[in-house]
Amino acid sequence: DAGITQSPRHKVTETGTPVTLRCHQTENHRYMYWYRQDPGHGLRLIHYSYGVKDTDKGEVSDGYSVSRSKTEDFLLTLESATSSQTSVYFCAISSTARRYEQYFGPGTRLTVT
Amino acid sequence: QKEVEQDPGPLSVPEGAIVSLNCTYSNSAFQYFMWYRQYSRKGPELLMYTYSSGNKEDGRFTAQVDKSSKYISLFIRDSQPSDSATYLCAMILSSNDYKLSFGAGTTVTVRA
Repeated sequence: DAGITQSPRHKVTETGTPVTLRCHQTENHRYMYWYRQDPGHGLRLIHYSYGVKDTDKGEVSDGYSVSRSKTEDFLLTLESATSSQTSVYFCAISSTARRYEQYFGPGTRLTVT
Repeated sequence: QKEVEQDPGPLSVPEGAIVSLNCTYSNSAFQYFMWYRQYSRKGPELLMYTYSSGNKEDGRFTAQVDKSSKYISLFIRDSQPSDSATYLCAMILSSNDYKLSFGAGTTVTVRA
């Protein structure tokens, strides 16, 4: 998975609790992305980062925040989880030279009960 | 209307058959066109990409882009059971931010 790890790989949490997902890369790539994947919707961009402390919103950013304090780590936080945020979350990375090539991590399966 | 439309299938073919997958898109500004393969409970992996119109071959895989009709295709020749996966098309709208727009994915099963 192109030097990308995600943690945790599985999580069950209750509605209203905060949740943080971590993406870690060893490729030293500048760009990092968070997607969610739901049946019938494919992959949808939540937030992305174009450098340390530089982030921007994607298509479905409501209810999510991100932080990137180091090149290798990109955190996704659900401040107060809702059942509609039950999904599989994928992190992706791309380099400056080949931004069109995004490489994905193994995913985190999140269930909000 | 979604930016990228992809028939979710499922598609079931016998081993050795040609698999044909298609996507249509609505925005004429798309520049890069990708195909990702995703095995069950795994992350998507980049299979092929093309820039602008035309064909690109990589082994048993051929990607086609027809920008005049806003249509992209992926063909898998001599399909194998190991090709059983979900295939997602994706496109980059702008070279400013390189955000990917994905189709919903087509699930393919190759029967031995």
